[in-house]
Formats: sequence, C-alpha cells, structure tokens
Amino acid sequence: DVKVTQSSRYLVKRTGEKVFLECVQDMDHENMFWYRQDPGLGLRLIYFSYDVKMKEKGDIPEGYSVSREKKERFSLILESASTNQTSMYLCASSLRQRYFQPQHFGDGTRLSIL
Amino acid sequence: SQQGEEDPQALSIQEGENATMNCSYKTSINNLQWYRQNSGRGLVHLILIRSNEREKHSGRLRVTLDTSKKSSSLLITASRAADTASYFCATDASGTYKYIFGTGTRLKVLA
Repeated sequence: DVKVTQSSRYLVKRTGEKVFLECVQDMDHENMFWYRQDPGLGLRLIYFSYDVKMKEKGDIPEGYSVSREKKERFSLILESASTNQTSMYLCASSLRQRYFQPQHFGDGTRLSIL
Repeated sequence: SQQGEEDPQALSIQEGENATMNCSYKTSINNLQWYRQNSGRGLVHLILIRSNEREKHSGRLRVTLDTSKKSSSLLITASRAADTASYFCATDASGTYKYIFGTGTRLKVLA
C-alpha cells in the first residue's frame, strides 16, 4: 500500500514565523500535491509538483512556497505565518500517466497560527 | 473555482438504508473519482469512472456518470455505521495534472 506521511498531525505556531510542513511518499509517485481544507470550502489546491524541482501554482498559492528536492519529499513553506493560514493541510501523491490517477493522501496536519 | 459540487451537503440515515449523493461539474472531463474522508483523517480513494463509462460497481458502492448532464451519483447500499464520513467527488482539469474537488457530502449513519 502507498503510504503518504506528513511530519506532524498537529502544529501550533505564532504569527510571523516561518513554518515548514513536510510530506514523504514511499511509492515513487511523480506527482505530489498540497491542499488546504476549510469548512464549507472543500479542498483547495495550493501547489503541485509533477517532478523533482518542478512546481506549479494551484488556486491559492499566495503566502506559500514549496520545495521538491527529492522525488519522495514535498515540503510546504509558510513564509510568514498569518492567522488566516490556520487550517487543515493535506498532502497527496499520484502516478503521472495519461489519465489522472487516484490520489493517495496523508492524514493531514492541523495547523494553528496564534 | 470549484468544479465539483456535491448534493446534499449533509445526509443522515439509519443503518441498513441506502445512501445516495450527487456530484455536478462544469466542464468536460476525462474521468471522475469519489473519495471518502473519515473525521480528522486524509481522503481515501473509493472508485474511478471514466468518461466513456456509465456505471461502475465496487462492493456496496455503485457510481453512475451522465456526461450529458455533467453529473455523477454515488450509491452506498446497506449502509453501516462505519460508512459515516464525508464523501467528495473529484474531476480532472483538462490539460493539467490538477484535480478539482467538490465541497463534500457529510454522511451520518445511525446505528
């Protein structure tokens, strides 16, 4: 089974801090994704990566950056955390093939910015 | 903007009953997927239906797709308390690797 591991289940940080959320997958998937999930808004794509060192902006990239130095690891960075970034963050991975493949999700990081 | 919109937003049924939830989308797709999310956990893939398929089954799950109406439905038969979760549809965004998720249906199955 594919395993997607997010480094923290719960995280509390302060306004202005630089925050790193880490995600690792063990199935050699090309695609990796970062979403945030808020009540009533569903999942919104922040960034995705289809290869090492490649990234594309999703629907809400402002205030975030990402890093993919190795195929199995995709990091989400909050450059200067703000209270409106309090949310559930979900990482996912998938194979890159002609038709879009099922995504495999981690259990999420519930991030609180105080 | 969200491509997939689920209906209803919330559904409460008795154990043993069937649960039906619907998804509508706006543009043409290659395929559509359904996911389940248990409280506080990540999403789990349930079933994928391609745009040239009309119906697909997996265990107690039945998915239909009507591309002319741009809609899909997920039927869970003989529901169990363990089916209590949120259910999301996801569609592809043409020409990209992006997936577009709806806002989900919260299903509660009462024992």
